[in-house]
Amino acid sequence: SAVISQKPSRDICQRGTSLTIQCQVDSQVTMMFWYRQQPGQSLTLIATANQGSEATYESGFVIDKFPISRPNLTFSTLTVSNMSPEDSSIYLCSAGLLYNEQFFGPGTRLTVL
Amino acid sequence: SQQGEEDPQALSIQEGENATMNCSYKTSINNLQWYRQNSGRGLVHLILIRSNEREKHSGRLRVTLDTSKKSSSLLITASRAADTASYFCATDEDTTSGTYKYIFGTGTRLKVLA
Repeated sequence: SAVISQKPSRDICQRGTSLTIQCQVDSQVTMMFWYRQQPGQSLTLIATANQGSEATYESGFVIDKFPISRPNLTFSTLTVSNMSPEDSSIYLCSAGLLYNEQFFGPGTRLTVL
Repeated sequence: SQQGEEDPQALSIQEGENATMNCSYKTSINNLQWYRQNSGRGLVHLILIRSNEREKHSGRLRVTLDTSKKSSSLLITASRAADTASYFCATDEDTTSGTYKYIFGTGTRLKVLA
């Protein structure tokens, strides 16, 4: 199984600023995804992080607000830009091989004041 | 959008009892995965079941899959207080770019009373 780490684990940010979340996998993986989870809710897929190309965003999420990078097979970043209190959430990275188990990082708890 | 609907939304049982939660989904799948999430923590992978499998076991967990009904169930036998958590199913959905994405169900909150 893949071990996934995320940094930071939590942060408190001011409105209008940006935060970049890092996701590191201990082995090469095919697929990497970014999710958002509101308190008490299920996970909502933000985008698929594609290695060496632009991420594929889900409906309701745009690149200007959530730019994503994936420079190689083990690392990805998600930036939450121009934050507002509505962006307060847990952001989770997941990764795995194609059509196999998908594992999750511990998440980043973001609070925007 | 959410691919899966889970029921019940919440379940409260006594320690030692069995817990069953169900997941229904909308489109054809390659596989379905079940996860556990303790409060405020990351998701723990429990089981992956492929579309050509009907049942799978792991310790006290038993997962079934009925592709004709587009549904799956997770059974936890002899539950323990430590099983208290939220449980989610996730199904893969093929994309137009030739890959796939995982969509999560609404989740079941399980509480096991000691």
